[in-house]
Amino acid sequence: GENVEQHPSTLSVQEGDSAVIKCTYSDSASNYFPWYKQELGKGPQLIIDIRSNVGEKKDQRIAVTLNKTAKHFSLHITETQPEDSAVYFCAGGGSTLGRLYFGRGTQLTVWP
Amino acid sequence: EAGVAQSPRYKIIEKRQSVAFWCNPISGHATLYWYQQILGQGPKLLIQFQNNGVVDDSQLPKDRFSAERLKGVDSTLKIQPAKLEDSAVYLCASSQNSGGAGETQYFGPGTRLLVL
Repeated sequence: GENVEQHPSTLSVQEGDSAVIKCTYSDSASNYFPWYKQELGKGPQLIIDIRSNVGEKKDQRIAVTLNKTAKHFSLHITETQPEDSAVYFCAGGGSTLGRLYFGRGTQLTVWP
Repeated sequence: EAGVAQSPRYKIIEKRQSVAFWCNPISGHATLYWYQQILGQGPKLLIQFQNNGVVDDSQLPKDRFSAERLKGVDSTLKIQPAKLEDSAVYLCASSQNSGGAGETQYFGPGTRLLVL
């Protein structure tokens, strides 16, 4: 099956700085890559996703890039704010029905 | 639009006891998923339903876990008997259509299970 690896496991940035989280995947048949934000005590919330026919997607301060050849994708958050502090998960899917394979998560802390 | 509802939010049981979790998906969503999230890890799919039929249960430990989705709406996930390693957050998610590749999944708040 698919194997999604995520780095770093923890990330601390100053408010206003940028944060980058990177993921790699193993199954070349995967074609859907969502990113989820999970706050303490809550379920994961979709923040952005990208499909394999697109190389980059942006939504305000959040952007995701995909390199299919290298099998990696990244989340970029610009102008970070304290409320961005949470655990972020990348996932890959599309090769097996609706199954998503999640990375282990990145704990992002934004210091004011 | 109301989100995915789950209950209970927390449950503490002793090993070898049984426990059940309930999920109500977003209204009209055909596909329902149960995930297990162990502390410090990402969610792992246990079972996927489309309407009231099982689409994928390859990762469900069938000797102790069972799930059903009667009438294609609400779902229950049961563990009997529970083991210490079942301590985790059990997340329910739903998606609008067939649950095929690339369909957005919406998650509920989860049920936190602690097995002592």
